[in-house]
Amino acid sequence: DIQMTQSPSSVSASVGDRVTITCRASQGISSWLAWYQQKPGNAPKLLIYAASSLQSGVPSRFSGSGSGTDFTLTISNLQPEDFATYYCQQANIFPLTFGGGTKVEIK
Amino acid sequence: QVQLQESGPGLVKPSETLSLTCTVSGGSITSYYWSWIRQPPGKGLEWIGYILYSGSTNHNPSLKSRVTISVDTSKNQLSLKVSSVTAADTAVYYCAREVLPGAIRGFDPWGQGTLVTVSS
Repeated sequence: DIQMTQSPSSVSASVGDRVTITCRASQGISSWLAWYQQKPGNAPKLLIYAASSLQSGVPSRFSGSGSGTDFTLTISNLQPEDFATYYCQQANIFPLTFGGGTKVEIK
Repeated sequence: QVQLQESGPGLVKPSETLSLTCTVSGGSITSYYWSWIRQPPGKGLEWIGYILYSGSTNHNPSLKSRVTISVDTSKNQLSLKVSSVTAADTAVYYCAREVLPGAIRGFDPWGQGTLVTVSS
C-alpha cells in the first residue's frame, strides 16, 4: 500500500495567516492527489483534486501543488471557518489511501 | 444536486454481518465510481472499496474477503456488507461518489455518515 504522510500533524494559526500543509507519498503517484477538509461531526469535504484542481464552490484561498511524491495544500488568508482537520488522499494506486490528517487550530 | 444517505443498524454483534445501504437521490448512479469509506471514532479515514454502476468492484485487501459491495441501479442504491465483524470495525461509515464520471480523482459528494458500533 502507498503510505501518505502528512506534516505537521497539527498547526496553530491566526485569522489572516497563511498555512501550508505537506503530504508525502511513499512512492510516486503522478498528480493523483486530493485534499479534504473535515469539521467535527461532518463528512469530509473535497477541496482539491488532481493535486491542483479547485473543486467547484471552494474558495480560491485554497490551493494545491506538487507531483510525484511531494504535495502541498496552502490556505492563504486563513478564515474562522477554516479551522478544521485536513486530509490528503492518493487516487493513483489501489487501495486508495489517506494521510493521517492535519488539525488547524486557533492560536 | 446529488445527495447520498446511508442507512442501517447502528449496533451489530461481534462475529455478525454489518449491512448498510446508501441511497442516491438527485442524480443517476450510472457513469460514476461509488465508494465506501470508514472512520473509527477519533481516527483517520480508511477506504473500504468501490463499485462501478456496471457492478465492477475493488476493495481494500486490509479487510480481506469480508467485504461485499453491490449496486441496485433500479433503486439507485449501493450496499455494503462486512462479515465477521469485531470491535475494530466500529466506525462511522460513509458512502461517497467520485467527483468526475468514469475516473478515480477524489470523493464528492459524501453521505452524512452512519455510526456502526460492534458490541455484544
